Amino acid sequence: GAVVSQHPSWVICKSGTSVKIECRSLDFQATTMFWYRQFPKQSLMLMATSNEGSKATYEQGVEKDKFLINHASLTLSTLTVTSAHPEDSSFYICSAKRVFNEQFFGPGTRLTVL
Amino acid sequence: SQKIEQNSEALNIQEGKTATLTCNYTNYSPAYLQWYRQDPGRGPVFLLLIRENEKEKRKERLKVTFDTTLKQSLFHITASQPADSATYLCALTTLTGANNLFFGTGTRLTVIP
Repeated sequence: GAVVSQHPSWVICKSGTSVKIECRSLDFQATTMFWYRQFPKQSLMLMATSNEGSKATYEQGVEKDKFLINHASLTLSTLTVTSAHPEDSSFYICSAKRVFNEQFFGPGTRLTVL
Repeated sequence: SQKIEQNSEALNIQEGKTATLTCNYTNYSPAYLQWYRQDPGRGPVFLLLIRENEKEKRKERLKVTFDTTLKQSLFHITASQPADSATYLCALTTLTGANNLFFGTGTRLTVIP
């Protein structure tokens, strides 16, 4: 149990385009989902916290107009990187919270912006 | 400033030995501390959670200790195997940021056959 999936697993796009990444909790309902970014050889940095049915809470320094988050159901959250640029290239990972404070992570999405 | 430091970026040990990884934190009041395993190009996988009022937790070959006085957690893998080779991340949750995980930079463990 407690499986979180992400789609796509990798994406390459041109600068200026928008990319949508999906995060799904497959066998449980997650009222809270989180989006992280991880640069090579660095740790995970929380970007935003997403609660079902309400607006996401963004961490300091993360542009909410650039990283659009939608948490439309208890099993799905999406992150859209709008007008992507090469500096947005990174490994994006979502997680979903179940009981206590246990977070289950998705496999990640590798975004490369040319 | 707030910091979560893991003792070394990389650790090599011989198969069968016990690996000990360290996580030290500064200027946090954690309610929980968790350890994750991350393989290259993959998301973290949850291993163990220990609460602030617990001193030790075990799961199979894994053991975690939590010393809030020293502001330190130790993560042990006994009878290590090459399959244990991965990056191990500690992460803590504070009393105020109940939903947020703050991650350390990780220790890349290599178990040599």
